[in-house]
Amino acid sequence: EAGVTQFPSHSVIEKGQTVTLRCDPISGHDNLYWYRRVMGKEIKFLLHFVKESKQDESGMPNNRFLAERTGGTYSTLKVQPAELEDSGVYFCASSLRGLAASTDTQYFGPGTRLTVL
Amino acid sequence: AQSVAQPEDQVNVAEGNPLTVKCTYSVSGNPYLFWYVQYPNRGLQFLLKYITGDNLVKGSYGFEAEFNKSQTSFHLKKPSALVSDSALYFCAVRDSGNTPLVFGKGTRLSVIA
Repeated sequence: EAGVTQFPSHSVIEKGQTVTLRCDPISGHDNLYWYRRVMGKEIKFLLHFVKESKQDESGMPNNRFLAERTGGTYSTLKVQPAELEDSGVYFCASSLRGLAASTDTQYFGPGTRLTVL
Repeated sequence: AQSVAQPEDQVNVAEGNPLTVKCTYSVSGNPYLFWYVQYPNRGLQFLLKYITGDNLVKGSYGFEAEFNKSQTSFHLKKPSALVSDSALYFCAVRDSGNTPLVFGKGTRLSVIA
C-alpha cells in the first residue's frame, strides 16, 4: 500500500512569488492534515480536511495560505505571495477517521522543504 | 491548552546501551499520546501510541513507552540501542476532544558505535 506522498520534495522561491504544494493521502483515508515545521521548532498544525470540507483551519497563519482538496482526494496548499517567514518543512498526514476520533493514527508524508529567499 | 515538552534537544547513547527519550505533556482531558520518528530525508514514521489500558506500550523497531499519569510523562525507551536508531524523535499529544495533534520540538538521538 502506498503511503502519503508529497510534491515537490524541495522548493526554493523568492519572496513575493507563489508556490503550490501537493499532497496525496493514503487511498481510502478521508482525513487529510497539513502541518509545518519551522527550523528547530515544533511541528504545528495548519488545517484539517474531512473529504473535501475544511474541518478545522485554526492553524493557518494568514490569508496568504490557501488549501484545497477538490473531490476529496489530493490536496494543494498554495502560498501567495510567499514571505521569508514561510520557510520550513510542510508535512501532510492522513488518517481514516476524523478529529473526533482522537485515537486515530495519522500517517505522514516525507514533507516539502520550502525555502523563501 | 495542550502542550508537549521534550526537555532534551540531543541524547547520545552508546550502541547496546538502553536509551530513553523524555516527554511530558499537559492536556485538559484524557491524553492520547504518540511517538513518531524522522530518519534523515524521510517523513515522520509512527512508532507507537497510548490510548488507554496498559501503561506500557510496545511499538515498532523494539521501542516501548511508559505512560505515567501522576508525572504526566510518556518517555520512549529501548533496552538496547542500535546505530540505526539515530534519528529525530517527536512526542505528540491530543485530548479526547476535537483538537489537533500537538507536537514537541523533537529530540535528536545519536547512537554511537
